[in-house]
Amino acid sequence: QVPLVEYGGGVVQPGESLRLSCAASGFSLSSHGMHWVRQALGKGLEWVAFIRYDGDTKYYADSVKGRFTISRDSSKNTLYLQMNSLRPEDTAVYYCAKYGGNSGTFGYLDLWGRGTLVTVSS
Amino acid sequence: DIVMTQSPDSLAVSLGERATINCKSSQSVLFSSNNKNFLAWYQQKPGQPPKLLFSWASTRESGVPDRFSGSGSGTDFTLTISSLQAEDVAVYYCQQYYSSPTFGQGTRLEI
Repeated sequence: QVPLVEYGGGVVQPGESLRLSCAASGFSLSSHGMHWVRQALGKGLEWVAFIRYDGDTKYYADSVKGRFTISRDSSKNTLYLQMNSLRPEDTAVYYCAKYGGNSGTFGYLDLWGRGTLVTVSS
Repeated sequence: DIVMTQSPDSLAVSLGERATINCKSSQSVLFSSNNKNFLAWYQQKPGQPPKLLFSWASTRESGVPDRFSGSGSGTDFTLTISSLQAEDVAVYYCQQYYSSPTFGQGTRLEI
């Protein structure tokens, strides 16, 4: 099994919404924090959001705060990113990544999915 | 936010030669209470997600060849490949996790 698999990407118009999912296997999201990181095509990495292992504590990049919501369903062992009011500059490959244990509030990212492409265009 | 700046942006090195990538943070990422640098290095090959190489600036991940080494402290860090192999062609990123995560812009390493 592939440890992290993202899905839900696609093409949407500006102002629309999209929900990304990240199915985890081989470990429990209830025990590990998780990140979303994005990468515009041909560009560098940008951290988007983080949810702690407790599921209650969440952090967001300023660029998405108030528009994106990170969450998880422990029963499905799946991480989500609800993206509202999408903008062309949100176009990117979105990766989910696992928090490297005992590495501070945010941590390093020790396991990455293959990503899902979100395109925001009219 | 802590700004991470890598140099150079791109680098061409001959097979078997040393490659050195630098990363500088706009403020120290050394946490005084545990004397650890909150700095990671990643390797991203074309069409693949990033792969963690080092945490804590110099702790090599399992399976990473020992020709790779990480060093530095405070605000200045270095990733060194002692003898470049063809499979090392990739973009390399540093990341600080002292505060809200930020990445360097990446260094493209070519043969």
